[in-house]
Amino acid sequence: GQNIDQPTEMTATEGAIVQINCTYQTSGFNGLFWYQQHAGEAPTFLSYNVLDGLEEKGRFSSFLSRSKGYSYLLLKELQMKDSASYLCAVGRGSYIPTFGRGTSLIVHP
Amino acid sequence: DTGISQDPRHKITKRGQNVTFRCDPISEHNRLYWYRQTLGQGPEFLTYFQNEAQLEKSRLLSDRFSAERPKGSFSTLEIQRTEQGDSAMYLCASSLGGTGSNQPQHFGDGTRLSIL
Repeated sequence: GQNIDQPTEMTATEGAIVQINCTYQTSGFNGLFWYQQHAGEAPTFLSYNVLDGLEEKGRFSSFLSRSKGYSYLLLKELQMKDSASYLCAVGRGSYIPTFGRGTSLIVHP
Repeated sequence: DTGISQDPRHKITKRGQNVTFRCDPISEHNRLYWYRQTLGQGPEFLTYFQNEAQLEKSRLLSDRFSAERPKGSFSTLEIQRTEQGDSAMYLCASSLGGTGSNQPQHFGDGTRLSIL
């Protein structure tokens, strides 16, 4: 089985930096995905980590520690349009990602 | 436009009726997934195809649910004798895949099912 835990909701100020954490317990781990989902829309792919370390992509970065079962998504220079749900998804042996409940991020002026 | 189309976008039906949804994935993607999502939750895995073969079904999927991907292209998801608890957004996703490959999924906009 799998257990994925991420905070339900976070708030931050426009222009700031926010870190969204995800912890997981799984067998056959083969990578971790982050997706963004705006209300009423489809999830869209943000990042994928399979090795330990930090992957940077513009304003978004994602970190993975396999030994600790821990990942985070870092969003810099927050914009109002970043208000969305951020989904952590853990890939396992059969390459079927299992999603966490998502973290609803509210960015305010 | 995600490149994946799902039809219909919305479906309202009475309890006990059968419903069928269609998903047309990105054409070169060989993997196709169905998920269900309710408010405040992440997508919950239902079933997965590689080409036309249905390789895995969630244990949560009751016998009332069936999915097909007859030619390895589009897929249909049917729910028989719908129940109130089936009300949800049904998401289709597709990806490229091969042995030892883990590729990001591309999601469709979903079909929102409401059971009266």
